[in-house]
Amino acid sequence: ETGVTQSPTHLIKTRGQQVTLRCSSQSGHNTVSWYQQALGQGPQFIFQYYREEENGRGNFPPRFSGLQFPNYSSELNVNALELDDSALYLCASSLERNLYEQYFGPGTRLTVT
Amino acid sequence: RKEVEQDPGPFNVPEGATVAFNCTYSNSASQSFFWYRQDCRKEPKLLMSVYSSGNEDGRFTAQLNRASQYISLLIRDSKLSDSATYLCVVNSRDSNYQLIWGAGTKLIIKP
Repeated sequence: ETGVTQSPTHLIKTRGQQVTLRCSSQSGHNTVSWYQQALGQGPQFIFQYYREEENGRGNFPPRFSGLQFPNYSSELNVNALELDDSALYLCASSLERNLYEQYFGPGTRLTVT
Repeated sequence: RKEVEQDPGPFNVPEGATVAFNCTYSNSASQSFFWYRQDCRKEPKLLMSVYSSGNEDGRFTAQLNRASQYISLLIRDSKLSDSATYLCVVNSRDSNYQLIWGAGTKLIIKP
């Protein structure tokens, strides 16, 4: 196992609600990246945090926001949920901003109804 | 045009056969290349990094062709357990090392 954990495993929300997903990175890793993976697609980059600062953002609206804490764990917050937000949300940790390989957590499967 | 393109498959291959996947990328400044494997409804797992000189790990061989901007993965003596989706991933300094993912190629190994 990678040592990257995510919670919760599954979540069902209704349109318009807000959700917070959590990730604990692998020991020693200071970079956390978040991805959204729709069925049949590759992961789409949401944003990355490096040493508690946002270090890059993909093509996602501002209602997707995040945090990284001093212990390098991270949160992904999504406001005003839409049906299309239903996906597998993956967190990956790495050392020094992806200069090396990323290791993924098991993901949170979010369903928006 | 997608930044990283892969044949979605599925590739239906008999057990013991050799199978090859190709992946093309559009950013000539890409610096690092990886193959990940993803089982159904699971997270992606790193299969191997791809080095300029090519590299081999058991039954798996990865090649990089920078001039043509493609990466390949060869699986020899395929096993039933190789059935999965194989994702090609690249990153580059000019995209702040963001990983760009292909949509994956689905492989089904049949007995």
